[in-house]
Amino acid sequence: QVQLVESGGGLVKPGGSLRLSCAASGFTFSDSYMNWVRQAPGKGLQWISYISSSGTSIYYADSVKGRFTISRDYAKNSLYLQMNSLRAEDTAVYYCASSPISSPGSFVYWGQGTLVTVSS
Amino acid sequence: DVVMTQSPLSLPVTLGQPASISCRSSQSLVYSDGNTYLNWFQQRPGQSPRRLIYKVSNRDSGVPDRFSGSGSGTEFTLKISRVEAEDFGVYYCMQGTHWPWTFGQGTKVEIK
Repeated sequence: QVQLVESGGGLVKPGGSLRLSCAASGFTFSDSYMNWVRQAPGKGLQWISYISSSGTSIYYADSVKGRFTISRDYAKNSLYLQMNSLRAEDTAVYYCASSPISSPGSFVYWGQGTLVTVSS
Repeated sequence: DVVMTQSPLSLPVTLGQPASISCRSSQSLVYSDGNTYLNWFQQRPGQSPRRLIYKVSNRDSGVPDRFSGSGSGTEFTLKISRVEAEDFGVYYCMQGTHWPWTFGQGTKVEIK
């Protein structure tokens, strides 16, 4: 069945960096849009980045543009989020979310999330 | 950015009674391909979100038929015909028509 497994979260100091990974299985990775969505403690959901099935189209929320970089590795069926210049307000559970190209504009599958805490 | 406004933000419901959540967008969600990319997600405590409804009114596989979505343009509604114990949690609308994709604030459906 479909599985999205995030890893790489943890405690980091303000200004530091972290790289999140999402291992995908159970579906055709190359035929899927991939996203990162985050949720600050006790708060709502916020979409932060998208990468198309081909990797040629990438979008970011303004709050992370210039600091975060999304990428994907088709050989490893994996999605990544490189996070630089981290701020306290980046503290959140980060979810990997995917959608087949037959279902654009949405998130069909979600991972369990990985917690990123930015604190000194 | 498209602002998604949900109401109410808290919805106390008695088991077996209906529930309705409204979602309003700050601009039309009709995309150039004619589709309206309005989704509804459920998040139970301690769990990842789960999609219930896509393109306004299409139920995902495995979603009980007591859940229904409706609306058009900028006004949308999620209805639960008879609330069951497993339905308690937070519900989010989300638009995938305009970048950046945006969520509503969430509506907490709780036991009355």
